[in-house]
Amino acid sequence: DAKTTQPPSMDCAEGRAANLPCNHSTISGNEYVYWYRQIHSQGPQYIIHGLKNNETNEMASLIITEDRKSSTLILPHATLRDTAVYYCIVRDRMDSSYKLIFGSGTRLLVRP
Amino acid sequence: DSGVTQTPKHLITATGQRVTLRCSPRSGDLSVYWYQQSLDQGLQFLIQYYNGEERAKGNILERFSAQQFPDLHSELNLSSLELGDSALYFCASSVEARGFSGNTIYFGEGSWLTVV
Repeated sequence: DAKTTQPPSMDCAEGRAANLPCNHSTISGNEYVYWYRQIHSQGPQYIIHGLKNNETNEMASLIITEDRKSSTLILPHATLRDTAVYYCIVRDRMDSSYKLIFGSGTRLLVRP
Repeated sequence: DSGVTQTPKHLITATGQRVTLRCSPRSGDLSVYWYQQSLDQGLQFLIQYYNGEERAKGNILERFSAQQFPDLHSELNLSSLELGDSALYFCASSVEARGFSGNTIYFGEGSWLTVV
């Protein structure tokens, strides 16, 4: 079962920041937070991941609270092409499989 | 382009038939994962292979099987197909090293299977 809770849908205006929240209140010290997105029916696309520090890459920023029980994915300047389903996943680094278990995600709609 | 290649992209077959889906992982990746995505089930983990051996098994039906070959490509075999097997099947791959450091899993574009 997925260990995260995300709002089913959100929207934001093009050019504005999109802030997607994720709750993972039962996260353990061995678990990373990963974000993927799926545009229409394409293959899920890796966005970013983190353990306890905030992370930033060319796609997004990941803000993890100090207690690690929640995180926020930030798309700084959303475009129409960012419309997708965004998945927040916790991944156990002690699990030898390192598999990803997807929940239902957040459907983000970027409005013109 | 993730570097993970899946064939065929689309496949239509009849109930009771058998199909094979093929996946070529990214160069250097030893792990291959298979996922199923149907309209009412979301992305479901099926099975994982690492360097030719089964590493983890998820919600994979007994009618389904997979293997990973010495050249690291993988095949997912679906037999006695039913209408409910119609779905998008994704393959993903990752490199693994001793001491997990958050290595990323990359997904292919999927194989659309329609059972009629």
